[in-house]
Amino acid sequence: DAGVIQSPRHEVTEMGQEVTLRCKPISGHNSLFWYRQTMMRGLELLIYFNNNVPIDDSGMPEDRFSAKMPNASFSTLKIQPSEPRDSAVYFCATRGRRSPEAFFGQGTRLTVV
Amino acid sequence: DQQVKQNSPSLSVQEGRISILNCDYTNSMFDYFLWYKKYPAEGPTFLISISSIKDKNEDGRFTVFLNKSAKHLSLHIVPSQPGDSAVYFCAAIKYGNKLVFGAGTILRVKS
Repeated sequence: DAGVIQSPRHEVTEMGQEVTLRCKPISGHNSLFWYRQTMMRGLELLIYFNNNVPIDDSGMPEDRFSAKMPNASFSTLKIQPSEPRDSAVYFCATRGRRSPEAFFGQGTRLTVV
Repeated sequence: DQQVKQNSPSLSVQEGRISILNCDYTNSMFDYFLWYKKYPAEGPTFLISISSIKDKNEDGRFTVFLNKSAKHLSLHIVPSQPGDSAVYFCAAIKYGNKLVFGAGTILRVKS
């Protein structure tokens, strides 16, 4: 298995533009997490899905952020409109039914200028 | 509400010596505790875990200790190697629920 695949690896965009981050989970994993890493807050959970259903989105900072999981093979995190303070590394992680550990993708480094 | 706390932002250790990374938690309902290691420009990678019903788990050079009465866990790395230099995250989970992370500790192993 190729592991959790995130795209793009790097994204530079102008303030006000829409940004879409993508994640392909490990096949068979039923939980998916979106995290944001910043110097100030470490690894911050934004939202997580179980069986494609959003369970907890209390970490989503504002209405500008939205996430979807239309099927078991794909999830997106969208920021519209983007702002400079959204600049961070965004990670997707997935977990199987029988294990507590989650496996992370390589992350997307987002820079909003 | 920070349920998992790593109070030491960084730790510096000499090669060959023991590294001890600490973590405190507030939620007594957590079922598992995990440690992740992260290198720059990479995603965190799972290192070792411990069930809440145990007090020790060992995997090679890595041992995790859990003290439930103190709501404290620690990761011991013996002997420390330069390749262990990374950010270490403590995490906790109530099974079926979300995985909550601490802020991380930067470990530097000097040769």
